[in-house]
Formats: sequence, C-alpha cells, structure tokens
Amino acid sequence: DGGITQSPKYLFRKEGQNVTLSCEQNLNHDAMYWYRQDPGQGLRLIYYSQIVNDFQKGDIAEGYSVSREKKESFPLTVTSAQKNPTAFYLCASSIGEGDQPQHFGDGTRLSIL
Amino acid sequence: AQSVTQLDSHVSVSEGTPVLLRCNYSSSYSPSLFWYVQHPNKGLQLLLKYTSAATLVKGINGFEAEFKKSETSFHLTKPSAHMSDAAEYFCVVSDAPPSFGAGTTVTVRA
Repeated sequence: DGGITQSPKYLFRKEGQNVTLSCEQNLNHDAMYWYRQDPGQGLRLIYYSQIVNDFQKGDIAEGYSVSREKKESFPLTVTSAQKNPTAFYLCASSIGEGDQPQHFGDGTRLSIL
Repeated sequence: AQSVTQLDSHVSVSEGTPVLLRCNYSSSYSPSLFWYVQHPNKGLQLLLKYTSAATLVKGINGFEAEFKKSETSFHLTKPSAHMSDAAEYFCVVSDAPPSFGAGTTVTVRA
C-alpha cells in the first residue's frame, strides 16, 4: 500500500545536538510538507517543497533545515538553534498544489533529554 | 491569501446526538475545501473534500459537509455521534501551501 512513513516514532534530543526526522513517501507526490504541533494547538508549517531540489520556508522555519534531493524523501533537521523543539512533528505530501488533499504520516514525537 | 476560521475550539456532544463543527473561509475565488480528523498521537486523515462539484459532500464515517458560497461556510455534520468520533478536526482551504484552521476538539459523552 502507498503511504507516508515517518521515523522514528519517538526521538530524544540532548542539549546542543542536531537531530534528523525522516519522511518517506511512495505515492509519487510532488509536494511535501513539515508541520509542528504543540499540545492543544493546531498545525504550524515549518517548510514545504513543491518539487525536487526546491523548498520554501513556512511560518516557523527558524532553527530547522530540510533537503529535497529525491522525490520520495523530505528529511527535517532540528538544529541546536531551535531552543524549544519538544513537539509532535507531522509530514505530509500531495499530488501538487492547491486543490489536492494531503496525505499525512503518523508523526514523530520529539522530546528534550 | 486564503484563510480559514473554525468557530468552536471545543464541542461536546452526547453519544447518538448530532454533531456540528463550524468553518468559515476567506477566498478571492472558489476554493477547494477539506475536513480532516486527527486521533491522539496520529496523523491527519481526510474526511471529505469539496472541489466545486456538488455543494453537499459526503465523507467517511457518516460525516458530510455543505458548501455555502453566500455564507462562505463549510460546516461539518454527523447525524449521530459515536464514541469513536472523539478527536480533533481541522478545516483546510486550498492554497499553496494549504491554510489550516486552528482545530476543533470533539468530546463524546456516554
């Protein structure tokens, strides 16, 4: 079955450490997205990519970085510059822009040690 | 730019009674609209979508939504709530990137 796989499901970060969250899709979708969700909050967009080798900042990109070297992969790195990284991170993909629905992974929960 | 407002942050219903989740949108053209559901510690799942065909859209799990252009609304309803409907619901308007509402938490009382 096609879908989006996020790994790991749980991740712990030490102070001053960079960590990378994996997002892989086999839906042949062009667009991919990273969202952050805090308790009782909605989704906030971190980065998105509409095509390979191109990506745009979302509303809260500071302290995060991404790459899009392959169509099926869109890893997110939480850098040490992100001072409050504890959150639930969701990856999504869609066929293209606008009127197509997004497909979501099951998320990665990141915590500080 | 498009935007979405979910009018209720929390809705509580008794099992077997109707559910109404309200969503208003702002758009300079006829948009595509979506409702998603999120259960705890899970990703979002598409409930239904409106893409300028029929204004009454039927989705999964007995949910439906009506697009009303004159009211710029896209409210989600279900005739009879089930305990498994307890979750977070998001209204989304098409854009690049999509614009999310703040979410509505639904609790279902036995």
